[in-house]
Amino acid sequence: GQQVMQIPQYQHVQEGEDFTTYCNSSTTLSNIQWYKQRPGGHPVFLIQLVKSGEVKKQKRLTFQFGEAKKNSSLHITATQTTDVGTYFCAGGLRGQNFVFGPGTRLSVLP
Amino acid sequence: DSGVTQTPKHLITATGQRVTLRCSPRSGDLSVYWYQQSLDQGLQFLIQYYNGEERAKGNILERFSAQQFPDLHSELNLSSLELGDSALYFCASSAEGRVDTEAFFGQGTRLTVV
Repeated sequence: GQQVMQIPQYQHVQEGEDFTTYCNSSTTLSNIQWYKQRPGGHPVFLIQLVKSGEVKKQKRLTFQFGEAKKNSSLHITATQTTDVGTYFCAGGLRGQNFVFGPGTRLSVLP
Repeated sequence: DSGVTQTPKHLITATGQRVTLRCSPRSGDLSVYWYQQSLDQGLQFLIQYYNGEERAKGNILERFSAQQFPDLHSELNLSSLELGDSALYFCASSAEGRVDTEAFFGQGTRLTVV
């Protein structure tokens, strides 16, 4: 079945450093979504990517969808303590349901 | 506030018991999803309902069942509970049942089985 992997599992950065999490699917996706879950909170939708090679930016966050639509990345520039949380990618396959990756837990040291 | 309401927020029960978790989706959303999140784990998809009918099934145990009612609220029933069922259970809703629609998550129900 479809599998979605994320690396790294954990990342500790100093405030101001950059951070990147990578998402890889075993199958070609129709779209990919990214969610953020703060400690003790619930997942919150960040963005959706649909087109091959698509790049979207939200302030300090940059999202990319690979050309083959099997991988994606989320890059945060100059992390802040408010970026702390777990970032999940969710791969969508038409006709099936979303498969969430295991998440990358980000810690930001002040 | 996502607009998705889950009750109760916390639940403590003994092994062997049965519990019901409730979810009210965002106004107008037809699709409801249930997820299980164990400690330090990702989101495991359990089941999806769309407009009252089961749309997709994930890793849901036979001891678990769900339904979506005509008013679109949903219930997740967990029976013969085991210690390993302790987890955070999230409900999410979306406007439609397609994978390219944004899902809105509730605050979750934390289930502790003792």
